[in-house]
Amino acid sequence: AQRVTQPEKLLSVFKGAPVELKCNYSYSGSPELFWYVQYSRQRLQLLLRHISRESIKGFTADLNKGETSFHLKKPFAQEEDSAMYYCALMDSNYQLIWGAGTKLIIKP
Amino acid sequence: KAGVTQTPRYLIKTRGQQVTLSCSPISGHRSVSWYQQTPGQGLQFLFEYFSETQRNKGNFPGRFSGRQFSNSRSEMNVSTLELGDSALYLCASSFSSGARDTQYFGPGTRLTVL
Repeated sequence: AQRVTQPEKLLSVFKGAPVELKCNYSYSGSPELFWYVQYSRQRLQLLLRHISRESIKGFTADLNKGETSFHLKKPFAQEEDSAMYYCALMDSNYQLIWGAGTKLIIKP
Repeated sequence: KAGVTQTPRYLIKTRGQQVTLSCSPISGHRSVSWYQQTPGQGLQFLFEYFSETQRNKGNFPGRFSGRQFSNSRSEMNVSTLELGDSALYLCASSFSSGARDTQYFGPGTRLTVL
């Protein structure tokens, strides 16, 4: 079955500390994975996708096929990173299968 | 470019009624996807329209339907509303079908079924 798991509903870290948001997937083919973010009172928006291998707002994510993971990382958290983060997997019909989301709170 | 717009932003209906939601994509985008977001089930794909044709459909009952017009605007209809249909309904537009291109999301329509 195709599935995306984000094990943490809530993650709270101090400003300046490293952040890692976990995402695990189950998919039989070659996965294409995304991270979306929703800041307070804003729309859901794409943060990054693994094929672009970009670093957006200091965030990176590496696809680990052996561990079937696509964790989102940032070395030094900033208060403006507080948001809801969703991991998503594109299925064979090019549609997105979503994780449940992780609420990230950055404490000052 | 103007972003994706959705109307209305809020709706209150009663069980058994039907509702129509509207989504206007970014100019030039031909794909519109609809999602349901609830606290219990999270984000779930409803269906996608591309160039007026339904391309894909998620695992929702036939009470959920949609259409797309020649100007790429899309509507979603839910008939015989149930309490469990209360949710935030999001639409997203993209140039190509599906998530191959970046999907741009609207603000959502909050539907409450009483």
